[in-house]
Amino acid sequence: AQSVSQHNHHVILSEAASLELGCNYSYGGTVNLFWYVQYPGQHLQLLLKYFSGDPLVKGIKGFEAEFIKSKFSFNLRKPSVQWSDTAEYYCAVTTNAGNMLTFGGGTRLMVKP
Amino acid sequence: DTGVSQDPRHKITKRGQNVTFRCDPISEHNRLYWYRQTLGQGPEFLTYFQNEAQLEKSRLLSDRFSAERPKGSFSTLEIQRTEQGDSAMYLCARGQGTNTGELFFGEGSRLTVL
Repeated sequence: AQSVSQHNHHVILSEAASLELGCNYSYGGTVNLFWYVQYPGQHLQLLLKYFSGDPLVKGIKGFEAEFIKSKFSFNLRKPSVQWSDTAEYYCAVTTNAGNMLTFGGGTRLMVKP
Repeated sequence: DTGVSQDPRHKITKRGQNVTFRCDPISEHNRLYWYRQTLGQGPEFLTYFQNEAQLEKSRLLSDRFSAERPKGSFSTLEIQRTEQGDSAMYLCARGQGTNTGELFFGEGSRLTVL
């Protein structure tokens, strides 16, 4: 079965700092990769997704993620964070073996104004 | 608006009681999911419906848990004889797009078992 690890549990940044959140998955076959975000008091929503093709994908609000197959990684990046990016970020994966989306434990990002 | 309505938003119950949560997608969608999220953890898959058929169930779904989607529209998740370990946020999601990972989540139903 697949699993997802997010090594940074809590990240605190100042506005305008660059962001990189780590995500590693374990699965030997083809995967689809996702980042979901949950802003305070709101529902989980899709930030970006990777299915195939260009390993660098761009999502909403200036976020991007890079799939590195050899490292089983799908790190999330943003060049300059804003206070409004304060949220919980979840990396997730699906495989061709089932219908479930498997989430990592999440990273809580706090951006100081 | 995610197009997924969940009710109740918060339920407090005593251990041993039964609880039921309801999920209403705004319009009929083939794929409907239930997830559970405990404090400090990511959501965990519970079960999946394709129309009214329950096609996949997690091992997390013990015999005390049952989910239905009788007409392929709304869905219910019932927990019998609740235990303190059942305290969590129960999330419903509908599929978007064609990939199983693209989901619209509802705001969840928080269960507190005393």
